[in-house]
Parts: sequence; C-alpha cells; structure tokens
Amino acid sequence: KQEVTQIPAALSVPEGENLVLNCSFTDSAIYNLQWFRQDPGKGLTSLLLIQSSQREQTSGRLNASLDKSSGRSTLYIAASQPGDSATYLCAPRRRFYTNAGKSTFGDGTTLTVKP
Amino acid sequence: AAGVIQSPRHLIKEKRETATLKCYPIPRHDTVYWYQQGPGQDPQFLISFYEKMQSDKGSIPDRFSAQQFSDYHSELNMSSLELGDSALYFCASSRDRGPYEQYFGPGTRLTVT
Repeated sequence: KQEVTQIPAALSVPEGENLVLNCSFTDSAIYNLQWFRQDPGKGLTSLLLIQSSQREQTSGRLNASLDKSSGRSTLYIAASQPGDSATYLCAPRRRFYTNAGKSTFGDGTTLTVKP
Repeated sequence: AAGVIQSPRHLIKEKRETATLKCYPIPRHDTVYWYQQGPGQDPQFLISFYEKMQSDKGSIPDRFSAQQFSDYHSELNMSSLELGDSALYFCASSRDRGPYEQYFGPGTRLTVT
C-alpha cells in the first residue's frame, strides 16, 4: 500500500523567499506524480504532472523534480507571493494495467506567505 | 476550457437519508474517480470507472454505490447516511491515453445532520 509523507506539515515564510516542499512515497512503481494546491474548502488545482520517466517539470515559478528510485519528489517555489498561500498536496499514481490509476495523497504542506 | 462539473455543490441531509452526487467529466475524458475528503484530512480514493466499467475500488463503504453512464457522467449514490459521511466529495477525470493527468472538480460538500 502506498504511503505518502509530506514535509514540512506547515511552512510560514516572508514574501519573496524561495522554498522547497518535500514528498516521499513508499511504492516506487508509480506511473506519474501530480502536485496540487488546495485553498481552504475548495477543490484541487493541478500544478504540475511528472511522468515516471521524467526527472523535472517546470511551470512558471514552480519546478518539480522526481527521483522515482528513491521515492522522492520536491516542489520548488521561487519568489513566493502571498497568493501562493495554500495547502500543497503531492499525489503519486500507481500503474494500473496499462494506465495510471488512483491518486494517493500525502497530508499536504500548508504554506503561508506573509506580505 | 471546460472543467469537471459536480452537482450539487452543497447538500444537507439527515441521518439515514439517501444522497446522489453527480459528476460530469471533461469532454473526451473516459475515466472518472471519486474521492472523499473529511475535515482536515487528505482526499481518500473511493472508486473509479473506465469506459462505464468499475476499474478500481478503494475505501468505499458498502452503503455507497456508483456507476458511469454512456455519456461518461458518473453518479455516487449514498444510502443510510451517517454523521461521519459529512465531507467534501471530489470527482476527477482523465483520459485513458497519456499523460493521464487528473483534473478535479470543485467538490460537493455533504453535511449530514
């Protein structure tokens, strides 16, 4: 059974800082891994998707890396802004027959960026 | 761009009642997933469907059932509701052809009183 751990559980930084969120997972037989953000009481917004064959994906100020063999992914946020305040969830997806199956979520990192 | 649509967005039911949640996937998406997120918890996978057939099953109670219809929309039926069923219920969809990115709907907030 896939176990996903996200560290730190909470993070508070001043605006403008660069920061790294960590995600580790126990079952490396994944198909891909998605990073999401969730605002309180809202849905999940997909940030980045990394295929198991990739090592890195970038979107704007976000960069996600994946080390499948060691079961780790990191989300790097550059020049943080107050609007980045949210809970960030990583979700590795296992291989299910020939496609990607369910997502297993970590508990998330709650980020607060102070103006 | 079209997103995943869920209805209703909010639902209040009493214990032992029945609820039906609906999910309309993104056009051309053939796979639908249901997740339950309790207060302060991460989303937990319930069940998924691919091409109208159940493809995977998670921690879905026996009181719940779901199906996917010919137009690919899905419904989650919940009977004999309990207080502990109060949660956010998310539907997600993806294409069964790479890269299999999951797109989540806004969720249905179910409150059982």
